[in-house]
Amino acid sequence: EAGVAQSPRYKIIEKRQSVAFWCNPISGHATLYWYQQILGQGPKLLIQFQNNGVVDDSQLPKDRFSAERLKGVDSTLKIQPAKLEDSAVYLCASSFHSYEQYFGPGTRLTVT
Amino acid sequence: DAKTTQPTSMDCAEGRAANLPCNHSTISGNEYVYWYRQIHSQGPQYIIHGLKNNETNEMASLIITEDRKSSTLILPHATLRDTAVYYCIVRGDMRFGAGTRLTVKP
Repeated sequence: EAGVAQSPRYKIIEKRQSVAFWCNPISGHATLYWYQQILGQGPKLLIQFQNNGVVDDSQLPKDRFSAERLKGVDSTLKIQPAKLEDSAVYLCASSFHSYEQYFGPGTRLTVT
Repeated sequence: DAKTTQPTSMDCAEGRAANLPCNHSTISGNEYVYWYRQIHSQGPQYIIHGLKNNETNEMASLIITEDRKSSTLILPHATLRDTAVYYCIVRGDMRFGAGTRLTVKP
């Protein structure tokens, strides 16, 4: 089966610019997650969707980050405006069973 | 919130068993223990999970102590491809810690 797809794989932007990441989960997976992974740290959950509804966004910096999952399939994560500390790998994951998440390859964001 | 404590790093000889410990002394009765690993430049990969009983699958075995305050992930015959960061998680909302960096050496 096809895995979780993410694009772009790499992005370099200047601070105060905006950026968007796209994720296509595994077909049939109702739950979708976005994580931020800063170099040297474990992934940090930003937001969790169940179909097109938000289950948990307690760690999402809502003043600059937003995410949507229209129609309960694809999802986009946006940062506006970006800060230097947003430099990280942004990982998307999906799951059918909550214990087994399948991760995409991630998008490496560099903010200069 | 249940938290985990793992060693920062461990080494293992190729072909030997790798035993990765995890302390989770504040775990609640209904919280599962999950293990994931992350190979360099890839997303994390699910390994195994358990509640009370020991579990085994094609990748690893999970041994959970009777009081559930700690667990051990066992890779029975470690290979060079098992070199990765291993995460022990005890919350259903998947709060990853820093994990254990396992290096399998020839």
